[in-house]
Amino acid sequence: EFVLTQSPGTLSLSPGERATLFCRVSQSVSSSYLAWYQQKPGQAPRLLIYGASARATGIPDRFSGSGSGTDFILTISRLEPEDFAVYYCHQYGSSPRTFGQGTKVEIK
Amino acid sequence: QITLKESGPTLVKPTQTLTLTCTFSGFSLTTSGVGVGWIRQPPGKALEWLALIYWNGDEHFSPSLKSRLTITKDTSKNQVVLTMTNMDPVDTATYYCALAIIAAPVLGAFDIWGQGTMVTVSS
Repeated sequence: EFVLTQSPGTLSLSPGERATLFCRVSQSVSSSYLAWYQQKPGQAPRLLIYGASARATGIPDRFSGSGSGTDFILTISRLEPEDFAVYYCHQYGSSPRTFGQGTKVEIK
Repeated sequence: QITLKESGPTLVKPTQTLTLTCTFSGFSLTTSGVGVGWIRQPPGKALEWLALIYWNGDEHFSPSLKSRLTITKDTSKNQVVLTMTNMDPVDTATYYCALAIIAAPVLGAFDIWGQGTMVTVSS
């Protein structure tokens, strides 16, 4: 089973700042099968990035994904007020599918 | 427009069986490459994948829960049903269903999610 470890657990930043979120996978995963989701309180997760770097429909270009093998990164270039949320990485190339434990991006 | 919606009991007693239904529209589970999965989230905790069923009947389960889970599809009703036996208070969570299309470009990421349904396990 692939274990996904996200860091940091919490990121305290101000609007306009850059956010860098990390996802480390316990074994190499094809970058085609690594996704990032955003979840706001009381809402379902929303797909942001699939295939490690492709933005889902309607996702602003301030969100970008990168990485390969075991190390993946989600970058938010300039935080908007609506970006403060919890972010999860997810591998879906191997069963069982697995999620990371999440990174909370909070307002400093 | 693609939508999914979960339904089922909000409260179940320990040892009972939970039955949840995902009713969807805007796609068909007879189309090649289409799958519907279930994911849950205990209050304040992370997402946990539970099960997935594909258009061809292929089923996948979380190894830790496999013995307790059943997933079925009813293509005439556009529904996917998840049953979980022997419920315990630790199974208290919001349960989501989500669409996974294994064709390019998303290759199976959970593209569209339902709103979720909260299930509490308590006597």
